Amino acid sequence: AQKITQTQPGMFVQEKEAVTLDCTYDTSDQSYGLFWYKQPSSGEMIFLIYQGSYDEQNATEGRYSLNFQKARKSANLVISASQLGDSAMYFCAMREDYSGGSNYKLTFGKGTLLTVNP
Amino acid sequence: GAVVSQHPSWVICKSGTSVKIECRSLDFQATTMFWYRQFPKQSLMLMATSNEGSKATYEQGVEKDKFLINHASLTLSTLTVTSAHPEDSSFYICSASQQGRAYNEQFFGPGTRLTVL
Repeated sequence: AQKITQTQPGMFVQEKEAVTLDCTYDTSDQSYGLFWYKQPSSGEMIFLIYQGSYDEQNATEGRYSLNFQKARKSANLVISASQLGDSAMYFCAMREDYSGGSNYKLTFGKGTLLTVNP
Repeated sequence: GAVVSQHPSWVICKSGTSVKIECRSLDFQATTMFWYRQFPKQSLMLMATSNEGSKATYEQGVEKDKFLINHASLTLSTLTVTSAHPEDSSFYICSASQQGRAYNEQFFGPGTRLTVL
């Protein structure tokens, strides 16, 4: 079974509107972390937001928020007020703190290509 | 802070030659470095994890004799693709982490695009 599932290969959103990118995960660890990264066409990985498994509140960073539903094992990214510069690949990733070992490896989903239309 | 550089940013080589890619943490000491490979329109796949002064731990299916990793210092790790072939053409990304940092976050380099002719 895949550890990180992103079911939307591509998404389109109108400029200034909000968009939700889906991510579900699978782990038996109690302690883990969830990350979202943005990868523009240049290839660099840009960290957006983090949610720890013990965090009770949803993480927010500017226009980014993470809708964390632990029981459903989902960690959807919400981007508010989309901008043209938000067009990029978006990856959800999980860090497992025990089964991943002390090196805290990341497992990535397949990504969602977001296109913001003017 | 937490800047990671990679060199070169792109390289083209002939089949059968070896290519070395450097990954440096510029403003922190990286206790662990990771190497990923990303094929076009695909996700990042972890190739190996290395701790300074130790042998790298390779993921299943990654040939350790083909992808040589050296982590000689707390700021430098190198990936050498030996006897490269066209199927090794890919985008190689390194990341670095420092024990004790928030989130145990990995900081990513800008990537190296390898094309083998």
